[in-house]
Amino acid sequence: RKEVEQDPGPFNVPEGATVAFNCTYSNSASQSFFWYRQDCRKEPKLLMSVYSSGNEDGRFTAQLNRASQYISLLIRDSKLSDSATYLCVVTGGSSNTGKLIFGQGTTLQVKP
Amino acid sequence: GAVVSQHPSRVICKSGTSVKIECRSLDFQATTMFWYRQFPKQSLMLMATSNEGSKATYEQGVEKDKFLINHASLTLSTLTVTSAHPEDSSFYICSARLLGAGSVNEQFFGPGTRLTVL
Repeated sequence: RKEVEQDPGPFNVPEGATVAFNCTYSNSASQSFFWYRQDCRKEPKLLMSVYSSGNEDGRFTAQLNRASQYISLLIRDSKLSDSATYLCVVTGGSSNTGKLIFGQGTTLQVKP
Repeated sequence: GAVVSQHPSRVICKSGTSVKIECRSLDFQATTMFWYRQFPKQSLMLMATSNEGSKATYEQGVEKDKFLINHASLTLSTLTVTSAHPEDSSFYICSARLLGAGSVNEQFFGPGTRLTVL
């Protein structure tokens, strides 16, 4: 079983749509959770951290359910520029090693 | 945000040669840097954790004699792919860990190095 599992997609949505991505992780000891965005042939860039209380940054909302080991990302009012691969990332093992475990990524294609 | 550079951005080499990739944190000191590899349509996979002044910690399945890591200063880590073969062709990405307030430790990624071994 992969440590971080995501539906690879692709998700093809029209501009303005709301789209949700889900992710599950296997290591209950993971302490920190993130969503990264990766454009084609580029490095990943941090989109947002994810907290149990949920957090919102503009059109993006992230949620964490520790009991279910489940993370979600909601994008409202999709823009063409949102087209990218979204990576679910968790820290591996004990809290301070800094190891990041990446999911395979979910590809989003926003169409006009 | 903090800036991490990688050099070269792209390299094409013949089978059997060694390739060195540099990772630099430009505006902060990084006691820890990480090296990842990403094959097409796959996830980033951590290869090793590079600690300044000490030996790197390699992930299971990564050959330490093939992927030599040196972290000689607080701003520079190097990865050398020794005797590269076509199966080593991949996108190699480094990151540097920024120690922030509280428990949030963010990593900043370099732009990556695309290695093609002929």
